[in-house]
Amino acid sequence: GENVEQHPSTLSVQEGDSAVIKCTYSDSASNYFPWYKQELGKGPQLIIDIRSNVGEKKDQRIAVTLNKTAKHFSLHITETQPEDSAVYFCAASKAQKLVFGTGTRLLVSP
Amino acid sequence: EAGVAQSPRYKIIEKRQSVAFWCNPISGHATLYWYQQILGQGPKLLIQFQNNGVVDDSQLPKDRFSAERLKGVDSTLKIQPAKLEDSAVYLCASSLGLAGADTQYFGPGTRLTVL
Repeated sequence: GENVEQHPSTLSVQEGDSAVIKCTYSDSASNYFPWYKQELGKGPQLIIDIRSNVGEKKDQRIAVTLNKTAKHFSLHITETQPEDSAVYFCAASKAQKLVFGTGTRLLVSP
Repeated sequence: EAGVAQSPRYKIIEKRQSVAFWCNPISGHATLYWYQQILGQGPKLLIQFQNNGVVDDSQLPKDRFSAERLKGVDSTLKIQPAKLEDSAVYLCASSLGLAGADTQYFGPGTRLTVL
């Protein structure tokens, strides 16, 4: 089955810096790659997603890139703010079944 | 648009007791999922429903876990009897269930503590 690896497990940046989180997946048939943000005591919230027919997608300060050949995808957050502090999960999906990475705890210091 | 609703938000029980969780998906969403999220890990799929039928329950510990989705809307997840290792957050998610429209929206979760 699908296996998703996510790095780093923790990431500390200063406000205004950029943050990058990387994921790799094993099943070349996966075709949908969402990113979720989870704050303490809340459920995961979708922040951006990308499908396998697209190489890059951007939404304001957030961007995602996908390299199907290498089977990896990345989340880029620019101009980080303290409210970006949370745990971020990548996931890979085939036939509506999500497999999640292990999460990255992002801490943005003022 | 109302999101996915779950109750209760918190539950504390002793091992060998039983517990049930309830989920109300986003209106019109045909697909409903239950996930288990152990502290420090990503969510793991337990069961997936399409309307009121089970699509995938391969990772559901069927000796103690059961789930149903009567009438294709609300769903309940039950654990009987609970074990210490069942302590986790149980997340419900829903999606439209259409090809190419597989974005999943999550509820706030139920945090279960088994003592």
